[in-house]
Amino acid sequence: DGGITQSPKYLFRKEGQNVTLSCEQNLNHDAMYWYRQDPGQGLRLIYYSQIVNDFQKGDIAEGYSVSREKKESFPLTVTSAQKNPTAFYLCASRGGLAGTGELFFGEGSRLTVL
Amino acid sequence: AQSVSQHNHHVILSEAASLELGCNYSYGGTVNLFWYVQYPGQHLQLLLKYFSGDPLVKGIKGFEAEFIKSKFSFNLRKPSVQWSDTAEYFCAVFIYNQGGKLIFGQGTELSVKP
Repeated sequence: DGGITQSPKYLFRKEGQNVTLSCEQNLNHDAMYWYRQDPGQGLRLIYYSQIVNDFQKGDIAEGYSVSREKKESFPLTVTSAQKNPTAFYLCASRGGLAGTGELFFGEGSRLTVL
Repeated sequence: AQSVSQHNHHVILSEAASLELGCNYSYGGTVNLFWYVQYPGQHLQLLLKYFSGDPLVKGIKGFEAEFIKSKFSFNLRKPSVQWSDTAEYFCAVFIYNQGGKLIFGQGTELSVKP
């Protein structure tokens, strides 16, 4: 089935550790996005990528890093520099030209820092 | 920085009441506009979208939205809500000339009383 797969679904980490969240899509979409969802704050954009080997910072990129070496993959690393990493992380991809396509979301990864 | 603002954090209505959820964005250039809905325990789903043309767009489940360019607004409406419309609603803006940036509002939680 076509879609977006995020893993792991739940993740616990100790303070000071980096952790990488996986996002894979088989929709052949060029654009991919990472959002963080916190209650009352909606979805806040962390990083986004329009094409392979290119990505841009969103509104809350500090403490996060990404790579886009393959079209289907857009992993997010939550580094120890992220001050409040406990959150629900959503990956999305978008097809269509120039913003016309709707977003398709993964099921999310819930990160808890102990 | 660009932003999307949703006026109401939580709206409570009785069935058959009319609904209007406000959304304003701060960006002077060309945008595409979206409303997404997240039912309890489910993924975000696209309700409707605006790219160009008629500023009044119709979506699924009887929802519609009106784009008023002069007010930078894209308000969501439904003439008569149902209990099944209980969900969280997110306005989103795709910003041209920003490398495909797509940002969301804080969300509005709608509770419909039967």
